[in-house]
Amino acid sequence: NAGVTQTPKFRILKIGQSMTLQCAQDMNHNYMYWYRQDPGMGLKLIYYSVGAGITDKGEVPNGYNVSRSTTEDFPLRLELAAPSQTSVYFCASSQRTGEYSPLHFGNGTRLTVT
Amino acid sequence: DQQVKQNSPSLSVQEGRISILNCDYTNSMFDYFLWYKKYPAEGPTFLISISSIKDKNEDGRFTVFLNKSAKHLSLHIVPSQPGDSAVYFCAFPHRAGGTSYGKLTFGQGTILTVHP
Repeated sequence: NAGVTQTPKFRILKIGQSMTLQCAQDMNHNYMYWYRQDPGMGLKLIYYSVGAGITDKGEVPNGYNVSRSTTEDFPLRLELAAPSQTSVYFCASSQRTGEYSPLHFGNGTRLTVT
Repeated sequence: DQQVKQNSPSLSVQEGRISILNCDYTNSMFDYFLWYKKYPAEGPTFLISISSIKDKNEDGRFTVFLNKSAKHLSLHIVPSQPGDSAVYFCAFPHRAGGTSYGKLTFGQGTILTVHP
């Protein structure tokens, strides 16, 4: 059981380049999320999805786009990369229940924009 | 607008002693309170939670205390072990889509180092 898988693990981009961070989960979870973590800071929500075809902005969505065509996959697209997007990106998923259901995180993608 | 604050960036403790990690929040709408643990090069993992109707929840060596009037959350680890060395985040889920919980607001994290 792989859980949440993120690729790539590391990436260096030049300013203005684009890339897609991949995220896949095999737990049949409805909810999926993208967070970023800057040094010495907590995780901040970029985008989230409550099911296939439904996405919404989080706290820091500028410069990013997402899509959710299947339950399993939730890619994050960076257009026109900027140094401010240098961060560690975490994808997560959770089940949709009335009680709290913990988020399951991937191991992250470390992105450097130079 | 910082709804969650972990005022201690780091904590160093001797093995076998108690570790106490603290978290303050401002949003009185939070009704579930969580702690996540993160090792280097890994994603955070859920550690323990507490509902707003309780003031204490225990799971083995880990106990979370909630003081709603002070808007304060703490995590006690007793006894601390070197394997507990990690970054600890408090986090607060928001209700979304009716009764389901969705996104989390995280604190800044506290780096715990447990020395042998």
